Amino acid sequence: AQSVTQLGSHVSVSEGALVLLRCNYSSSVPPYLFWYVQYPNQGLQLLLKYTTGATLVKGINGFEAEFKKSETSFHLTKPSAHMSDAAEYFCAVSGSNSNYQLIWGAGTKLIIKP
Amino acid sequence: NAGVTQTPKFRVLKTGQSMTLLCAQDMNHEYMYWYRQDPGMGLRLIHYSVGEGTTAKGEVPDGYNVSRLKKQNFLLGLESAAPSQTSVYFCASSYGQGHNSYGYTFGSGTRLTVV
Repeated sequence: AQSVTQLGSHVSVSEGALVLLRCNYSSSVPPYLFWYVQYPNQGLQLLLKYTTGATLVKGINGFEAEFKKSETSFHLTKPSAHMSDAAEYFCAVSGSNSNYQLIWGAGTKLIIKP
Repeated sequence: NAGVTQTPKFRVLKTGQSMTLLCAQDMNHEYMYWYRQDPGMGLRLIHYSVGEGTTAKGEVPDGYNVSRLKKQNFLLGLESAAPSQTSVYFCASSYGQGHNSYGYTFGSGTRLTVV
């Protein structure tokens, strides 16, 4: 069965510092990986996704993520945090399971300190 | 603006009452989903639909029913609400399913409290 683990329910960084949100997955088939962002009182928005090809994926708002098969990871990074990045971030995986549904991580709330 | 619209945005129910949540999308997406979001548990799929007139059970379907009579609408019903159904409910739609999607489009959510 597929699963997604996001390390840290809350991550706090200073404005201008590196953002690193961790996502590890388990999948018996080649995974497709997604990061979504949820701003307060809003629905989720797609940040970026990995399907095939280049393992470094660039998304919106300066975020990027790297697929590392050997580490079964898909960590999300941003070189310099901005106050507007404060939100909850969700990692999700999809593969060739019976219904191709996305499996979601529990989410990581990113807190930006001024 | 194109997207997914959920109504209502907030609702308080008494135990045993029934209600229907409406989801409407104007992107001509085939696939639609109902999720619930609870603290520390991410999103859990309740039911989904792969096209007009079809529905299927997700991860946590008990206590809920759905209908997709029109392609653009996906209704979630609670026949007899229970406090355990207190949650934030999200509807989403997509062009493709899972890894074949170009990303899911989410509504802004319905915050339901059952007392």
